[in-house]
Amino acid sequence: DTEVTQTPKHLVMGMTNKKSLKCEQHMGHRAMYWYKQKAKKPPELMFVYSYEKLSINESVPSRFSPECPNSSLLNLHLHALQPEDSALYLCASSQTDRDTEAFFGQGTRLTVV
Amino acid sequence: GEDVEQSLFLSVREGDSSVINCTYTDSSSTYLYWYKQEPGAGLQLLTYIFSNMDMKQDQRLTVLLNKKDKHLSLRIADTQTGDSAIYFCAESIYGNNRLAFGKGNQVVVIP
Repeated sequence: DTEVTQTPKHLVMGMTNKKSLKCEQHMGHRAMYWYKQKAKKPPELMFVYSYEKLSINESVPSRFSPECPNSSLLNLHLHALQPEDSALYLCASSQTDRDTEAFFGQGTRLTVV
Repeated sequence: GEDVEQSLFLSVREGDSSVINCTYTDSSSTYLYWYKQEPGAGLQLLTYIFSNMDMKQDQRLTVLLNKKDKHLSLRIADTQTGDSAIYFCAESIYGNNRLAFGKGNQVVVIP
């Protein structure tokens, strides 16, 4: 199983809503990542978790709150988002945070209205 | 810092070869990657090259690295319609798994 599974595939939320994006992998990887990708732009790193601890936060606004409940799961909690936060949110994992190969999920297409 | 540049659009006929180029600025980059992204989908790692290599071939894909010019290219032989996608080059520095992506190059394969 070399899959990174993200749910939901699509999400529409209002600016006052609270929602969560989920990411799961069963490859035994100990590093997991959240990237944000705006339309026609490259992905930009948001967070890195290494061994279930947050190791990198790329100055992401606090309305995005990551959580790593265990080594297989990574969540991104969303609250009070703005329309400009609409994007494709990609989860990735790798063996460790110093590993060469990262596997990406299919992404969650988020629209904030 | 890491700064990766790519050209934007390439149209190629099915069966021809396509070449996508990328330049990077960080000379301490250790690994350079090519990712493929089909419409509405996530990123698929196609191949990567270690910075002490000049070339890597994997089936229809050939990666060339010119360290002196900080130039990376991806050649796709016998391009097929399923190769239509956006291709991103990316770099990382050993010990730091932040990936810095180029702007991406859209490849459209014409049947």
